[in-house]
Amino acid sequence: VKLVESGGDMVQPGGSLRLSCEASGFTFNSYWMNWVRQAPGKGLEWVASIKQDADEKHYVDSVKGRFTISRDNAKNSVFLQMNNLRAEDTGVYFCVRALRRYRPAYFEYWGQGTLVTVSS
Amino acid sequence: DIQLTQSPSFLSASVGDRVTITCRASQGISTYLAWYQQKAGTAPNLLISAASTLEGEVPSRFSGSGSGAEFTLTISSLQPEDFATYYCQQFNTYPWTFGQGTKVGLK
Repeated sequence: VKLVESGGDMVQPGGSLRLSCEASGFTFNSYWMNWVRQAPGKGLEWVASIKQDADEKHYVDSVKGRFTISRDNAKNSVFLQMNNLRAEDTGVYFCVRALRRYRPAYFEYWGQGTLVTVSS
Repeated sequence: DIQLTQSPSFLSASVGDRVTITCRASQGISTYLAWYQQKAGTAPNLLISAASTLEGEVPSRFSGSGSGAEFTLTISSLQPEDFATYYCQQFNTYPWTFGQGTKVGLK
């Protein structure tokens, strides 16, 4: 199993970024996928989850209306579109796969993370 | 939202010590709890799911227990590679939430 994130960058407040995560080594269309972030020197925060067929999505309140999680099962990829970015969105964003097929719970495989910096 | 409070936030220990970390939930979460280990500069590693199920190749010195609102992670004999930060996470109700972390350092 491999998860490789990309798209992290430095952006000004109010700007947008699109994170991508390319997955390999497992049957991608059978698993819930997630994004988790970690601000510098801080703890972990779950951001968003998407069901295997994309018909169910969940977000932490602080990003609702600004972030959108999506996936392309044909390309074994999951995305996080981040709009109207704020300084408090700064951190490393991890792409994460759930533990078991068709079940949302428990985060087994993590990517290496991609750094998002929101600063003027 | 369900709040998870870990105690202590930091503990210092020696190799061979028995270490216990507690995670308390603001409401009952059955056994929908995971424990992760994170070393500096790396992604977290899933240690335990469903409060007490050891995952993958996690050494047997790690164990988890509890249900409802109080949970513990125990390391029976601390090894040099166990110095890290540990997080609990609940999967009972969205939003999934993490505890603030417990850093295990060298005494």
